[in-house]
Amino acid sequence: AQRVTQPEKLLSVFKGAPVELKCNYSYSGSPELFWYVQYSRQRLQLLLRHISRESIKGFTADLNKGETSFHLKKPFAQEEDSAMYYCALSGADNFNKFYFGSGTKLNVKP
Amino acid sequence: GAVVSQHPSWVICKSGTSVKIECRSLDFQATTMFWYRQFPKQSLMLMATSNEGSKATYEQGVEKDKFLINHASLTLSTLTVTSAHPEDSSFYICSASRQVEGGTQYFGPGTRLLVL
Repeated sequence: AQRVTQPEKLLSVFKGAPVELKCNYSYSGSPELFWYVQYSRQRLQLLLRHISRESIKGFTADLNKGETSFHLKKPFAQEEDSAMYYCALSGADNFNKFYFGSGTKLNVKP
Repeated sequence: GAVVSQHPSWVICKSGTSVKIECRSLDFQATTMFWYRQFPKQSLMLMATSNEGSKATYEQGVEKDKFLINHASLTLSTLTVTSAHPEDSSFYICSASRQVEGGTQYFGPGTRLLVL
């Protein structure tokens, strides 16, 4: 079955500390992974997708098919990074199916 | 670019009435639109996917007669909650994607529905 797991509901770090938001997935086909972010009182927006292999706002994520993971990382967290982060999964050959993880709330303390 | 709007942003209705929520892609043509439901402090649950001009594909457990989806054009999809009951109260979010960008979705701001 298709599933996205984000084990941490809340992650608190101090400003300047490294941050890693974990995401594991289960998918029978060829997956496409995304990270979406929702800042307070704003709509969900795409942060990055694995196929782009880019860094957005200092965040990176590498798809590890062996470990079926797509962890989101940033070396130095900023207060403005505080938000809700959702890992999401789709099929590379079927974008009509989309599955979201339960989300991790990142709190960056000053 | 790639802005998605929803209307209304919130609605209160009496039990038994029907409520229509509109989702529009304002500056692009959306090949696919998605409807999600979000309960408080929970993740988004995909309800259905719709492509312009064809019937929506509903996720398991979602009643198609309860949640009517119409995708009449490449810029508009509607979700009608028929004979709403208090348990239908939720936050409904739509998103739209365009084929050239693969799976990237652009989200609307959501509609808060409260059924009394």
